[in-house]
Amino acid sequence: GAGVSQSPSNKVTEKGKDVELRCDPISGHTALYWYRQSLGQGLEFLIYFQGNSAPDKSGLPSDRFSAERTGGSVSTLTIQRTQQEDSAVYLCASSLIDWDYTFGSGTRLTVV
Amino acid sequence: GENVEQHPSTLSVQEGDSAVIKCTYSDSASNYFPWYKQELGKRPQLIIDIRSNVGEKKDQRIAVTLNKTAKHFSLHITETQPEDSAVYFCAATRNQFYFGTGTSLTVIP
Repeated sequence: GAGVSQSPSNKVTEKGKDVELRCDPISGHTALYWYRQSLGQGLEFLIYFQGNSAPDKSGLPSDRFSAERTGGSVSTLTIQRTQQEDSAVYLCASSLIDWDYTFGSGTRLTVV
Repeated sequence: GENVEQHPSTLSVQEGDSAVIKCTYSDSASNYFPWYKQELGKRPQLIIDIRSNVGEKKDQRIAVTLNKTAKHFSLHITETQPEDSAVYFCAATRNQFYFGTGTSLTVIP
């Protein structure tokens, strides 16, 4: 596609439920990043995939958060047993080279 | 890891005036410093960037300066217009990007 695609665009879930957020990067982009943006806050790094290398998971806030990237393309961010503090916009970005960094439109997650 | 601080958190200027946003970083190995503009409800968009071998870069009304010794870099917007109103994020990177907490800029017509 022409850009980074994220789905769903909005997700409302009950506290304690699991959610999956999807990111389709730009075709051919080897690097994929997940960020979280809470209301009025900056962009918080979560996880980074680069090609076939082991992902950098250093930003994941707890073991309830996990992410996969299948076939070097689509990525899924999973949040288990969601809490209200997980409410945020989750942004995905991809790049071919380190400087060429394109964001998706994000998934707005609301935990009620 | 890297720690990026950004100031001010909010900034209001009159149309036509200049706006300056400053960021500091902690990791001397960071070598790329982009600035992103995020309009309400939209994705961040790259507006200008600078690499560590350059001290200043300008693109029309927008300029960025970098002081590697002091580990700080700044965004300068001249002749501000209402459409410049947005949240601006700085970032420092060596591998993944570390973002500042953002500056909400309001340009008053």
